[in-house]
Amino acid sequence: GAVVSQHPSWVICKSGTSVKIECRSLDFQATTMFWYRQFPKQSLMLMATSNEGSKATYEQGVEKDKFLINHASLTLSTLTVTSAHPEDSSFYICSAKDRQGPIRPDTQYFGPGTRLTVL
Amino acid sequence: AQKITQTQPGMFVQEKEAVTLDCTYDTSDPSYGLFWYKQPSSGEMIFLIYQGSYDQQNATEGRYSLNFQKARKSANLVISASQLGDSAMYFCAMRGSGGSNYKLTFGKGTLLTVNP
Repeated sequence: GAVVSQHPSWVICKSGTSVKIECRSLDFQATTMFWYRQFPKQSLMLMATSNEGSKATYEQGVEKDKFLINHASLTLSTLTVTSAHPEDSSFYICSAKDRQGPIRPDTQYFGPGTRLTVL
Repeated sequence: AQKITQTQPGMFVQEKEAVTLDCTYDTSDPSYGLFWYKQPSSGEMIFLIYQGSYDQQNATEGRYSLNFQKARKSANLVISASQLGDSAMYFCAMRGSGGSNYKLTFGKGTLLTVNP
């Protein structure tokens, strides 16, 4: 149980284009999903918190117009990197909080990540 | 503000031996949760173990145990009987309470290498 998928697992795009990354909770409902970014050999940095049916909450320093987040259902959140540039190249990881977790209701389960390379 | 400190950038352990990965934290929240995640080279974050701030006993999950010392604000991960597959990056994380909405703050991680 508690499986989170991400698609695509890797993507290469040209500078100036937009890229959409999907995050799905496969066997549970997630009212809250999180988006992280991880640069090589560094820790995870929270970008934004995504709540189903409402606007995402962005962390300080994260441009909301550049990183568009949509959480349209209890099992799907999307991150769109708009007008991507080489400095946006990174490993993007989503996580989902199990809405009805039996024992550890506040545990976040992570997707496998998406490696974005912007040329 | 919450802070997680992992002072060991890298650790080496011999296969079948136990290893302790250090984690200290700082928070003003009266209620909080502490997590350990494993990140292999493939990148996925694997949940290992959880300790609530009010839990009376140290958490255990198979070969993983969390040495929780609240007064010292430490939450060290102990891996018993290390296996080659344990080689990975290990992150300690904290979840606050109230308006933090379950956001996690991560430490910088410790790269564990298990030698045969």
